[in-house]
Amino acid sequence: GAVVSQHPSRVICKSGTSVKIECRSLDFQATTMFWYRQFPKQSLMLMATSNEGSKATYEQGVEKDKFLINHASLTLSTLTVTSAHPEDSSFYICSASRAGQETQYFGPGTRLLVL
Amino acid sequence: AQTVTQSQPEMSVQEAETVTLSCTYDTSESNYYLFWYKQPPSRQMILVIRQEAYKQQNATENRFSVNFQKAAKSFSLKISDSQLGDTAMYFCAFMKLRGKLIFGQGTTLQVKP
Repeated sequence: GAVVSQHPSRVICKSGTSVKIECRSLDFQATTMFWYRQFPKQSLMLMATSNEGSKATYEQGVEKDKFLINHASLTLSTLTVTSAHPEDSSFYICSASRAGQETQYFGPGTRLLVL
Repeated sequence: AQTVTQSQPEMSVQEAETVTLSCTYDTSESNYYLFWYKQPPSRQMILVIRQEAYKQQNATENRFSVNFQKAAKSFSLKISDSQLGDTAMYFCAFMKLRGKLIFGQGTTLQVKP
């Protein structure tokens, strides 16, 4: 199989605090992980691509100082939303792919609500 | 730049019937991948089917099959014997070699009993 987990599944935080979301590939080594954002009834928007051991590549318009991504191992990537504000409230989804393969396997998503 | 278009925001089908979801894309690449992902109410993205552009044969996975028309840049998904569990949002996606996934806007499918 190709299972990807995310933690937490939902989080509520106060404005100005930071939130960390973990993405793990449970049964394979993920050389590349991706972070997406999805608003209700809309498509997925790629935020950034991370490769193990190197800096993430951010999409145009995504603030890299606000959305910190770390891909420290072949099974773990983290997204930290720094100084979160209500407009950061959204559904965040990660995905992972094996080395040399194109198919992405998705985590179950994290619902973030910033009050 | 590549684009993916799903022109049907919402569709419905009776249980046990067949439904086809449309997808067109625009690219100048000759080699690429196409995918259909399903997102049920749980919001977990599930891979339904994938197609390599260099393969002329249409991909099939049980009740799911595609009609891949490379010249027309069309990649439709056919769901046979629709089941209530097929109710979900369906996303068509394009990826060039070593590129990123580009999603269409999605089609919400409702399977009615």
